[in-house]
Formats: sequence, C-alpha cells, structure tokens
Amino acid sequence: NAGVTQTPKFQVLKTGQSMTLQCAQDMNHNSMYWYRQDPGMGLRLIYYSASEGTTDKGEVPNGYNVSRLNKREFSLRLESAAPSQTSVYFCANRLAGSIHEQFFGPGTRLTVL
Amino acid sequence: ILNVEQSPQSLHVQEGDSTNFTCSFPSSNFYALHWYRWETAKSPEALFVMTLNGDEKKKGRISATLNTKEGYSYLYIKGSQPEDSATYLCALNNDYKLSFGAGTTVTVRA
Repeated sequence: NAGVTQTPKFQVLKTGQSMTLQCAQDMNHNSMYWYRQDPGMGLRLIYYSASEGTTDKGEVPNGYNVSRLNKREFSLRLESAAPSQTSVYFCANRLAGSIHEQFFGPGTRLTVL
Repeated sequence: ILNVEQSPQSLHVQEGDSTNFTCSFPSSNFYALHWYRWETAKSPEALFVMTLNGDEKKKGRISATLNTKEGYSYLYIKGSQPEDSATYLCALNNDYKLSFGAGTTVTVRA
C-alpha cells in the first residue's frame, strides 16, 4: 500500500503559469486535505474535502481551486501562479472523526519565479 | 481556524537529557488534540491523539499530557537521542479540520 502519494515532487513555474498538484490515496479514508508549509508558519490549510463530493475552504484558499475527483483523488490547482505561492504543499487524508490521525503525503516543493 | 500556540519555537538538548515543551489552545473549543513528529525532508507522522482532560499517552521515551480546562498539552522526551531531532507539531481538532501550531523544533546534540 502506497498510502498517500503526490505528484510531482518538485516543480518550478513562472509567474502566471498554471498547474495542478495531484494527490491520491489507497487508504479508503473519507476526508482529504491540502496544506502549505512555509518557514516559521507551520502547516496552513488551503482546502479540504470532508467526504467525496464536498470541498470547503481552509485558512488560505485564495489563488487555489480543488477537485475531489473521487474518493481516492483530490487535486489542487493554481490558475495563475504567483511568487507568494512558493511553498511546500502537503496532501493528507483522515478517517472521519476527531480521534483519528491524519496521514500525510511526501509533499510537493513548488517554486514560482 | 483555532489559535494554537507552541513554545518554545526551538530548543537544543544534550543527548541523554530530558526535555518538554508546550502546546496552548483555547480551552472552550476542544474536540481532540493531536501531536505529530516531523523529521526534516519527511512528512509529519502522528504521535498521539488525545481527547480527555487528564489524558496521558506514551510511546517509547515520548509522552504527552493534556489539560483541557486550562488549555494546554505538554510533550516530554525522556533521555533524548539524536533520532529525536525533529519538529513536533500540535494540532487542535475542530470538526473536520485540524488547526496546527507552528511547531517546536528539537535538536539533540550528541
């Protein structure tokens, strides 16, 4: 079992370019999340999907869109990349319920020039 | 988004010494508290999920306590080893979401 996978691992974009970060899980968990990690700021939630067919904004959603394609896949799209979106992006999943831990993917390191 | 604060931001500890650090949160908005360990160049991994006031959890040399009434949790590392070097994240569960603190980065000196 791969757990949570993310593609690509690294990406360099120019300002204004678009791209989609892919996340897939084989854990059959209901909830999926996208975070960004910046130095000194911990993990900040961009968007989440509590269950298949639903998506909601997190703490820092501006400049991003998401698609919960099915139970396995949750993608994050940058329509017009900006240097402020340079970050490490983590996808995570969780079985619904407060007592359950989150499982994280390996991360995507994105640089916007 | 809940305000979760961790202190200190970083600490250095000599190998073999014990250490502890704090996670503070608004006590009125509590469902569950999570601790994650995050090694450099890896992904965060769950250590503990705690739900009850007075909860104590232990995994090897690492343990945690929870006080929901006063809004804090302590994480303890006993007899620190170089492999304990990591950033330790605290997160508060609010419905489907987790609100993370900025973390405490622990460096164990050999």
